[in-house]
Amino acid sequence: DTGVSQDPRHKITKRGQNVTFRCDPISEHNRLYWYRQTLGQGPEFLTYFQNEAQLEKSRLLSDRFSAERPKGSFSTLEIQRTEQGDSAMYLCASSLHPGGSYGYTFGSGTRLTVV
Amino acid sequence: GENVEQHPSTLSVQEGDSAVIKCTYSDSASNYFPWYKQELGKGPQLIIDIRSNVGEKKDQRIAVTLNKTAKHFSLHITETQPEDSAVYFCAASWSTGGFKTIFGAGTRLFVKA
Repeated sequence: DTGVSQDPRHKITKRGQNVTFRCDPISEHNRLYWYRQTLGQGPEFLTYFQNEAQLEKSRLLSDRFSAERPKGSFSTLEIQRTEQGDSAMYLCASSLHPGGSYGYTFGSGTRLTVV
Repeated sequence: GENVEQHPSTLSVQEGDSAVIKCTYSDSASNYFPWYKQELGKGPQLIIDIRSNVGEKKDQRIAVTLNKTAKHFSLHITETQPEDSAVYFCAASWSTGGFKTIFGAGTRLFVKA
């Protein structure tokens, strides 16, 4: 297992376009988290899944954002009608609970630039 | 909601010196406190963690302390090396919240050779 993979690494899009990011967690991890990180700040929680169930969504996650984790494996995060304020690093993390460390394994992120 | 304050925002030390980063949290329900190191172009990496039933934990050159009463926790790095240069994040999490994690704003550590 090579860890948490995120695709693409970089995405430049025009304002108003839709974008989709993919995260492949560590295969045995049942929890998957999405975070957003802007320059000079710590990651901010967006949403998380236990297997295929989305258990919590942050108020940061407006109705333009949607996340899925079909079959409890990979996850996608879609942003519709992108705005310049959506420009950020989108980080995915996974963990095993119970039975594993409570800490996360993060991917390298997808950097989104909205022009 | 939970809030995590972290300071300093920037820390510069000479190689071989110690570095200390301090954090405070607001929610007394928090029971798990991880620390992450983030290098340029990479995601954060878990380097050490501490649970609320423990006051101190050490792993080689790094140690964490937790004062539950004061809601303070700290990271100590001894014998710093240039490769310790990175951004460090403290965080607070709680089991009843699915271990959703709230991060501090980060400390940029520079270790001068």
